[in-house]
Amino acid sequence: DAGVIQSPRHEVTEMGQEVTLRCKPISGHNSLFWYRQTMMRGLELLIYFNNNVPIDDSGMPEDRFSAKMPNASFSTLKIQPSEPRDSAVYFCASSKEGATPYEQYFGPGTRLTVT
Amino acid sequence: GEDVEQSLFLSVREGDSSVINCTYTDSSSTYLYWYKQEPGAGLQLLTYIFSNMDMKQDQRLTVLLNKKDKHLSLRIADTQTGDSAIYFCAASGGSYIPTFGRGTSLIVHP
Repeated sequence: DAGVIQSPRHEVTEMGQEVTLRCKPISGHNSLFWYRQTMMRGLELLIYFNNNVPIDDSGMPEDRFSAKMPNASFSTLKIQPSEPRDSAVYFCASSKEGATPYEQYFGPGTRLTVT
Repeated sequence: GEDVEQSLFLSVREGDSSVINCTYTDSSSTYLYWYKQEPGAGLQLLTYIFSNMDMKQDQRLTVLLNKKDKHLSLRIADTQTGDSAIYFCAASGGSYIPTFGRGTSLIVHP
């Protein structure tokens, strides 16, 4: 299996622009997670989906952030408008509900820089 | 909710043992995990322990769990420069979604 695929790997954009991050989970996994990693705050869970349905979006920082999962093999995280404080590494992870132990498989991340 | 704490940095000499410590708050946590993040990569599961175990050994890795104190540790024997990475402790309970600590940066110097 190719693992979790994220694109782009690096994104540099100007403040105010829209940013869309993409994720393809591992085939057969039915849970998908979006995380943000910064030096200041560590690894933060933004939102997770189960069977394509958003279950918990309490970690989404504000309305500028939105996430969708239109089907089992694709998810997007959108920031509109972007701000410099959104600069971080964004990870997508997928897992199989009910697996023991419950292992999350992480993608390589998207490094976002907002200038 | 669950809170997982770990120190941010650990520096060791090559060949020595490394011990990374972690505490968690939810006594109902059933699985405790250690993930490893190498530079420029995502997290990868390194090892895990079920809450009814006290110790788990896997080659150079030893995981110790003290349920009473809600304390988890990861010992890496004969630490090598390739072990330099960020190590994340995580705990999961009834919700099965793990809560991650902030990660401990392990620096191995010659």
